[in-house]
Amino acid sequence: SSELTQDPAVSVALGQTVRITCQGDSLRSYYASWYQQKPGQAPLLVIYGKSNRPSGIPDRFSGSSSGNTASLTITGAQAEDEADYYCNSRDSSGSHVVFGGGTKLTVL
Amino acid sequence: QVQLQQSGPGLVKPSQTLSLTCAISGDSVSSNSATWNWVRQSPSRGLEWLGRTYYRSKWYNDYAVSVKSRISINPDTSKNQFSLHLNFVTPEDTAVYYCTRATSSDYDFDCWGQGTLVTVSS
Repeated sequence: SSELTQDPAVSVALGQTVRITCQGDSLRSYYASWYQQKPGQAPLLVIYGKSNRPSGIPDRFSGSSSGNTASLTITGAQAEDEADYYCNSRDSSGSHVVFGGGTKLTVL
Repeated sequence: QVQLQQSGPGLVKPSQTLSLTCAISGDSVSSNSATWNWVRQSPSRGLEWLGRTYYRSKWYNDYAVSVKSRISINPDTSKNQFSLHLNFVTPEDTAVYYCTRATSSDYDFDCWGQGTLVTVSS
């Protein structure tokens, strides 16, 4: 079982705001990074650090953290945002890397 | 622009060694600010970090506990690439394998290879 827990599926109406969460004890000490994965493609980093976006990632993607929970927020979800989203961080030992189980986002 | 190009067989027999290579362009495997990682993905295990190699005045490796007894990740500075070797594979090792780079932290994977589906079957 993963040390980072995500809801398996979330849906959002087109243009609305959605929050995808990731829970784990290590998140009290480390930020989560977030990845978007579309079918047949490699994951794409969308958020890292406190709430940093790599070049080319739209500003509707943002990150936040509170206690043992990290969140990815998409403000004004678009049809092209429909994908699987994964969080990752360090594990509870702080030495290795762990991924969440992923959340399938459906844009209605 | 950094690119990672993976190569290696897509079919490996049980008990044999899975070997993949990741060629780097636009960066150096000897970079003092990057780590070079292998991640795999399967329906049963999801995304799973396997390990990394990195250079900080000398070479270091870290491996996931789940594969630590069977894995090695090696840099090749002459070819600017790194490799994955996973010994004694079983069908549970069937997955898409990705090489990745991390820079901002050791888990911000900002660049990914194209992925290689490796099937373990006789």
